[in-house]
Amino acid sequence: ETGVTQTPRHLVMGMTNKKSLKCEQHLGHNAMYWYKQSAKKPLELMFVYSLEERVENNSVPSRFSPECPNSSHLFLHLHTLQPEDSALYLCASSHGTSTNNEQFFGPGTRLTVL
Amino acid sequence: AQKITQTQPGMFVQEKEAVTLDCTYDTSDPSYGLFWYKQPSSGEMIFLIYQGSYDQQNATEGRYSLNFQKARKSANLVISASQLGDSAMYFCAMSPNNAGNMLTFGGGTRLMVKP
Repeated sequence: ETGVTQTPRHLVMGMTNKKSLKCEQHLGHNAMYWYKQSAKKPLELMFVYSLEERVENNSVPSRFSPECPNSSHLFLHLHTLQPEDSALYLCASSHGTSTNNEQFFGPGTRLTVL
Repeated sequence: AQKITQTQPGMFVQEKEAVTLDCTYDTSDPSYGLFWYKQPSSGEMIFLIYQGSYDQQNATEGRYSLNFQKARKSANLVISASQLGDSAMYFCAMSPNNAGNMLTFGGGTRLMVKP
């Protein structure tokens, strides 16, 4: 595997379910990100991890819980979601968190909450 | 707070012609970075080009160039010799220098290349 991978690619869940999204980067990066892409809205940064520590939590509801066990893996734990949480969830990684460090994105997980 | 505006929700271009995608931004930060990403229908965001706010020259990467006009706060993407594979969503994004690499994205422009 190369680049940034995300699993699953598609997920349908009920509002009472608990599920997790997984992201893995094979680029030797030390920063990882979660973004949410809803229809008709710009991409929204949710969380940033640098060196496995969370450095940004962008006013995200507590029903989204990130976990970064090491610099290569990032999870997004989901529980009691709402239908408006249906979106494409994109993971990204970068080498450092300086302004000019380009972020490499995964293919995303298309989440549908029923 | 930063804001990115892309005023063209959709654009058509004839194959082999050049096209300019508009991006304006608003920030009070003296130092920042500007990015363009391409998102095909598969969903993955593909990095295209980067421009630093203090870079003296406009960035170029192959068929992509960035027309950076700092005083106007604009960072338009120019794609030369359009190809059918260029059909996708294009996003402009900005990262302020004092806030790590936290990108703020515009709403995107859908580019459609006609054969």
